[in-house]
Amino acid sequence: SQQGEEDPQALSIQEGENATMNCSYKTSINNLQWYRQNSGRGLVHLILIRSNEREKHSGRLRVTHDTSKKSSSLLITASRAADTASYFCATLGSSNTGKLIFGQGTTLQVKP
Amino acid sequence: DAGVTQSPTHLIKTRGQQVTLRCSPKSGHDTVSWYQQALGQGPQFIFQYYEEEERQRGNFPDRFSGHQFPNYSSELNVNALLLGDSALYLCASSLVASGEETQYFGPGTRLLVL
Repeated sequence: SQQGEEDPQALSIQEGENATMNCSYKTSINNLQWYRQNSGRGLVHLILIRSNEREKHSGRLRVTHDTSKKSSSLLITASRAADTASYFCATLGSSNTGKLIFGQGTTLQVKP
Repeated sequence: DAGVTQSPTHLIKTRGQQVTLRCSPKSGHDTVSWYQQALGQGPQFIFQYYEEEERQRGNFPDRFSGHQFPNYSSELNVNALLLGDSALYLCASSLVASGEETQYFGPGTRLLVL
């Protein structure tokens, strides 16, 4: 079963605009990770945010995390056509057994 | 530094057959996890291997089994294939000993069961 609920399921924007994706989860976590997947290939790790962290940046990526709401958001600023991909959030449970639980993903299309 | 590699990239089997998928972890990693990703869905955890033992298992039947070798590479075996086993199978590696929690994924093996 999948813990994460992501929205929107699909997002279409123009190059240069910002894209925001949201993820919610149900149980307590050790950390939350965001991944990108191009055209059904392997997943690329983007950023990890721990359960006690509220915000993290990496280049054009900004991740926020609200423990009380059990939710996280991924913001991609100044999007590029190359950002077109599916984005997944994945949670690692508080027992930290190595099992990542993924959401269903958000498909992002960035039009040039 | 070689990343995670998987073989084969594509595979076509018929119902009832058996399949073996292979994974070599990123250099220096000691743990391998396997995931199944159906079309349009997020990956689902099958199991994880560490020190040649199954450390954690997801909600998959016994038809799914695995193995980890002393060099940390791993195999995923699926017996009595069903049409519903058609999916992208992803392998991910990590380093438990350092507390590194990030899992690095390979390109996947796309399995089609006819």
